[in-house]
Amino acid sequence: NAGVTQTPKFQVLKTGQSMTLQCAQDMNHNSMYWYRQDPGMGLRLIYYSASEGTTDKGEVPNGYNVSRLNKREFSLRLESAAPSQTSVYFCATRDLINIQYFGAGTRLSVL
Amino acid sequence: GENVEQHPSTLSVQEGDSAVIKCTYSDSASNYFPWYKQELGKRPQLIIDIRSNVGEKKDQRIAVTLNKTAKHFSLHITETQPEDSAVYFCAASTGSARQLTFGSGTQLTVLP
Repeated sequence: NAGVTQTPKFQVLKTGQSMTLQCAQDMNHNSMYWYRQDPGMGLRLIYYSASEGTTDKGEVPNGYNVSRLNKREFSLRLESAAPSQTSVYFCATRDLINIQYFGAGTRLSVL
Repeated sequence: GENVEQHPSTLSVQEGDSAVIKCTYSDSASNYFPWYKQELGKRPQLIIDIRSNVGEKKDQRIAVTLNKTAKHFSLHITETQPEDSAVYFCAASTGSARQLTFGSGTQLTVLP
């Protein structure tokens, strides 16, 4: 079992470019989350999906969109990247007793 | 929304000593409090958690205490070892989707 898989691992964008971060899980969990991690600020929730077909905004949703394609996949899209979106992005899933499992992360630089 | 404060931001201890990290939360509806360890360049990994119906939980050298009245919880690591060096995050779970709100992290350095 791979757990939570994120692609790509690294990405460099120019300001204004778009991209989609992919997340897939094989843990059969209903809930999935996208966080960003910046130095000294911990992890902040961008968007989450409590179940297939539903998505909701977290603490810092501006500049992002998400799609819960099916139970396994939850993608994060940056339509027009900005330098302020330079960060490490983590996808996570949650099991029935509330434990969250994280992917390996995507390191994104926006120049 | 929930707000989680974590202290200290950095902590250095001698190998074999104990380390304590403290967190406070604001939302009395939060009922699940995990602690994650993150090594440089790696993903956060759950090391211990506590639920609101329990005051203390221990797993070998690691323990967590919870004071619901005061809305604070703490991580205790005894007999620290160099491999304990990492960033530790506390979090509180709330909301209909049980989303986590994280503290800002503590960089623990264990000096040999």
